[in-house]
Amino acid sequence: EADIYQTPRYLVIGTGKKITLECSQTMGHDKMYWYQQDPGMELHLIHYSYGVNSTEKGDLSSESTVSRIRTEHFPLTLESARPSHTSQYLCASSGRGVFQPQHFGDGTRLSIL
Amino acid sequence: SQELEQSPQSLIVQEGKNLTINCTSSKTLYGLYWYKQKYGEGLIFLMMLQKGGEEKSHEKITAKLDEKKQQSSLHITASQPSHAGIYLCGALLPKSGTYKYIFGTGTRLKVLA
Repeated sequence: EADIYQTPRYLVIGTGKKITLECSQTMGHDKMYWYQQDPGMELHLIHYSYGVNSTEKGDLSSESTVSRIRTEHFPLTLESARPSHTSQYLCASSGRGVFQPQHFGDGTRLSIL
Repeated sequence: SQELEQSPQSLIVQEGKNLTINCTSSKTLYGLYWYKQKYGEGLIFLMMLQKGGEEKSHEKITAKLDEKKQQSSLHITASQPSHAGIYLCGALLPKSGTYKYIFGTGTRLKVLA
């Protein structure tokens, strides 16, 4: 059973607010990822990290930022939320080794009014 | 074009029927992963295949990776309503001297009781 947690599960908030989506894992995984997924659509990688103090942008351009100060924690921040940010955000982690599968949290469904 | 194609895009079957979902890559696969997602939730890891010809089973779900390592099939025997959801394949594909982890577009399965 994968132990990766995302909070909040749901968030409805107004335009212009600063938002932080939390993601924590208790598996000691070095690699962590953030994906954006619209309903019924494919996953798009927006950020990833291969370890503490290491962060990279993914394939999909995003106005969000991430940090990786501790191995277990990989928060995603939107400085000023806009309606175009409305989506589901999924966090994942994977262990050492190239072929390790990714394990996902339950996601945060974000709605910007 | 999509690097990882899934077919069919959606499937409706009667309870008890068998079904197959395919995942095809235009490049050699170095790792193939199957996930299940319920609407609005995260992805649940089902199984991983690495070697051509490899076959794995999890309860009534069997996945195979073909000899040329460019296609995988997921077969569900005697489907049940609990099998309903979105099935996604994920794969490691070579990119610029390293590997990139990508996902297919998903197959939405509905099982009628």
